[in-house]
Amino acid sequence: EAQVTQNPRYLITVTGKKLTVTCSQNMNHEYMSWYRQDPGLGLRQIYYSMNVEVTDKGDVPEGYKVSRKEKRNFPLILESPSPNQTSLYFCASSILGAYEQYFGPGTRLTVT
Amino acid sequence: GQQVMQIPQYQHVQEGEDFTTYCNSSTTLSNIQWYKQRPGGHPVFLIQLVKSGEVKKQKRLTFQFGEAKKNSSLHITATQTTDVGTYFCAGPNSNSGYALNFGKGTSLLVTP
Repeated sequence: EAQVTQNPRYLITVTGKKLTVTCSQNMNHEYMSWYRQDPGLGLRQIYYSMNVEVTDKGDVPEGYKVSRKEKRNFPLILESPSPNQTSLYFCASSILGAYEQYFGPGTRLTVT
Repeated sequence: GQQVMQIPQYQHVQEGEDFTTYCNSSTTLSNIQWYKQRPGGHPVFLIQLVKSGEVKKQKRLTFQFGEAKKNSSLHITATQTTDVGTYFCAGPNSNSGYALNFGKGTSLLVTP
């Protein structure tokens, strides 16, 4: 089944404790992206990757890191999480560029 | 910076009524995409429009792309309770064609 998976689905952590949210797709897509969703703000792009070892900032990259060492994986790293990073995070992939996005199920992160 | 504005933010209709959401971009878009997110779910791709003045239909849903490729609309005829959710439009960033800008979405509530 073609899908984007994210782990964990739910995470409660404390300020400053490094964490990684994994994202994996099995569709051989070139493009992968991370979004955060907050009430009233819609979906905002954090980082995206056009291919292996090629990443770029989206609208809200501050406080986040990404890497794309393999085509199928695109982890999101929060080196020192803060409460303002409490949000619902979605990973997405597409065949090429900013076209039809396939979204993962989401990761709900709470930073206390 | 480029913005994708979407109105209304919320819409509450009686089942059987029509519904329309509008999307406007500050810049010309190469394409526009529409997504639906059910409560508690992830965004799901509905359609992509590419050509100026394009109109596409999916059963009770009609999508339009403006002549200037800066605005779009989604119209649902005779809403059903299954139409409940948030509808997002999204377009490629004009500065970087690989970044994707989402509107803030229109949340549709349908009461029987």
